[in-house]
Amino acid sequence: AQKITQTQPGMFVQEKEAVTLDCTYDTSDPSYGLFWYKQPSSGEMIFLIYQGSYDQQNATEGRYSLNFQKARKSANLVISASQLGDSAMYFCAMRALQGGSEKLVFGKGTKLTVNP
Amino acid sequence: DTEVTQTPKHLVMGMTNKKSLKCEQHMGHRAMYWYKQKAKKPPELMFVYSYEKLSINESVPSRFSPECPNSSLLNLHLHALQPEDSALYLCASSYPGQGNEKLFFGSGTQLSVL
Repeated sequence: AQKITQTQPGMFVQEKEAVTLDCTYDTSDPSYGLFWYKQPSSGEMIFLIYQGSYDQQNATEGRYSLNFQKARKSANLVISASQLGDSAMYFCAMRALQGGSEKLVFGKGTKLTVNP
Repeated sequence: DTEVTQTPKHLVMGMTNKKSLKCEQHMGHRAMYWYKQKAKKPPELMFVYSYEKLSINESVPSRFSPECPNSSLLNLHLHALQPEDSALYLCASSYPGQGNEKLFFGSGTQLSVL
């Protein structure tokens, strides 16, 4: 079974600084996908970035990058130049197959607070 | 149109009421999902529909009844709920069978059961 672990319940960062949110995973599947979502207090889940297990390079999307270390089974999210609007819950997730269908399994999340 | 629309945004119901949550997408996605999220917790999968057929039911109590009338619509019928069912209910959609496809989420229905 797939498992996602986020060990940081809360993180604080100063505006304009970079921050790393940790995510480790466990799976026996040779092919897998890892996702990061942002959830502001309004509730919607916003997709940030995706990393495939066979991707040779770390994924980047604007200010977001994923530090993918396959041997260590980690997929940390790096947010550069933090903004006040980055304050939110961040969830790491893994695609899992079940009964021929796919689902996302989420970690417990990290609450990021950006201070002015 | 890259939106998943959920209605209503807020719902208050008594334990004897019957209500329905609705979800709609027009992105051509053929997989649709219901997740339940309690405060300060991650979303938990309830149901998955793939090509309008129920493919995953995560042992959800029968007081929750999903329905997928067509490829664009997903409903969740609620009956005889308990106060512990109060939560944010999130709908999502994606292209099925393509592991690198992200799920698009709606903004959710905040449900309170009195």
